[in-house]
Amino acid sequence: DVKVTQSSRYLVKRTGEKVFLECVQDMDHENMFWYRQDPGLGLRLIYFSYDVKMKEKGDIPEGYSVSREKKERFSLILESASTNQTSMYLCASSFPGQGAYEQYFGPGTRLTVT
Amino acid sequence: AQRVTQPEKLLSVFKGAPVELKCNYSYSGSPELFWYVQYSRQRLQLLLRHISRESIKGFTADLNKGETSFHLKKPFAQEEDSAMYYCALSLAAGNKLTFGGGTRVLVKP
Repeated sequence: DVKVTQSSRYLVKRTGEKVFLECVQDMDHENMFWYRQDPGLGLRLIYFSYDVKMKEKGDIPEGYSVSREKKERFSLILESASTNQTSMYLCASSFPGQGAYEQYFGPGTRLTVT
Repeated sequence: AQRVTQPEKLLSVFKGAPVELKCNYSYSGSPELFWYVQYSRQRLQLLLRHISRESIKGFTADLNKGETSFHLKKPFAQEEDSAMYYCALSLAAGNKLTFGGGTRVLVKP
């Protein structure tokens, strides 16, 4: 059974703080993803990684960075949190390759920036 | 760039009635299409994918390349189908997903 865990379910941070969101998967998946989920906008891809130390920008990377030092762990970093980054953040992982591989999602972290 | 559109934000139906969630996509190639579902207080999970041509929990979805649509259907909705549903597209050459805005389904008793 695939397990994707995220370090926090709820976070409250102040504007300008540096924020770290951690994601760990236990299925030896090469691919890992960070999305943000907003009502009416669905899920939007922030960054993804297809291997250790490899990363690619998604559709909305501005204001975010990522780190993948180990295969099982993918971190999302908000260098200087802003109120428009208040959102639900979802991490996912999958096997590599082409086509119809299922993505497995974590429970999400609801981040509030005040 | 590829795009996925779910025109209905909310669908409210009575138990036992048919339900159809619309999904349209824009992409000129051969995408892979998925439906993901998120039940209350649960994580997002795969419901079905077009390549499998399967029926899951009574739901089916047919890929219509001519109309660029992948509508999700169930002939008799159940209360446990109340959830948030997302249509998603993956390019054949990659593994990233592009999601639609989501449709909330409410099945009333």
